[in-house]
Amino acid sequence: QVQLQESGPGLVKPSETLSLTCTVSGDSMSSYYWTWIRQSPGKGLEWMGYIYYPGSTNYDPSLKSRVTISVDTSKNQFFLKLTSLTAADTAVYYCARGGYIYGPNAFDVWGQGTMVTVSS
Amino acid sequence: QSVLTQPPSASGTPGQRVTISCSGTNSNIENNVVNWYQHLPGTAPKLLIYSSNQRPSGVPDRFSGSKSGASASLAISGLQSEDEADYYCAAWDDSLNGVVFGGGTKLTVL
Repeated sequence: QVQLQESGPGLVKPSETLSLTCTVSGDSMSSYYWTWIRQSPGKGLEWMGYIYYPGSTNYDPSLKSRVTISVDTSKNQFFLKLTSLTAADTAVYYCARGGYIYGPNAFDVWGQGTMVTVSS
Repeated sequence: QSVLTQPPSASGTPGQRVTISCSGTNSNIENNVVNWYQHLPGTAPKLLIYSSNQRPSGVPDRFSGSKSGASASLAISGLQSEDEADYYCAAWDDSLNGVVFGGGTKLTVL
């Protein structure tokens, strides 16, 4: 059974860079869309982008200048880097898998989410 | 403001049938499939419907999806208290070149 687990700091300062890791267990990382999605307090889900192994990426246009998603298949991990943080980036960050039999943009496996607060 | 439009709330009594709508444009819903997610607070979202009207294995057949033109709907029949959750529609948007979500609908079982 495939499982995803996010890890990273719970608190970061404004203007700094957020780095999150998603560890994948139970399956290979090949041929899937490894995705980051976030949910700000009181708001809906927001797709941030994905990396499709072996390395093509696609990002939400509103975040494109600040976001990078990368992968390390040797460790079965993929990563999110988000720069120039503001309070508006405070959110629960989820990693998810797309591209299984349900389609590239159907996210069938999710991590539990990690809360990130941007505050000085 | 979400690209896909959902009603913020919906409600029903146990056993009833409720429908949640999701409205988009020809950049997203009209020309792409719609996926639906169920999200209980504090848990990971769950894929409920894919390809507009298909259920992943393990999802009860009380849940069904449909699409017509630039709109989609999620129907829940035989409503149960455990169905109380937030529901999100999502689709690929050709103009934005990314996935867009609806704002979510909070379903209350009275």
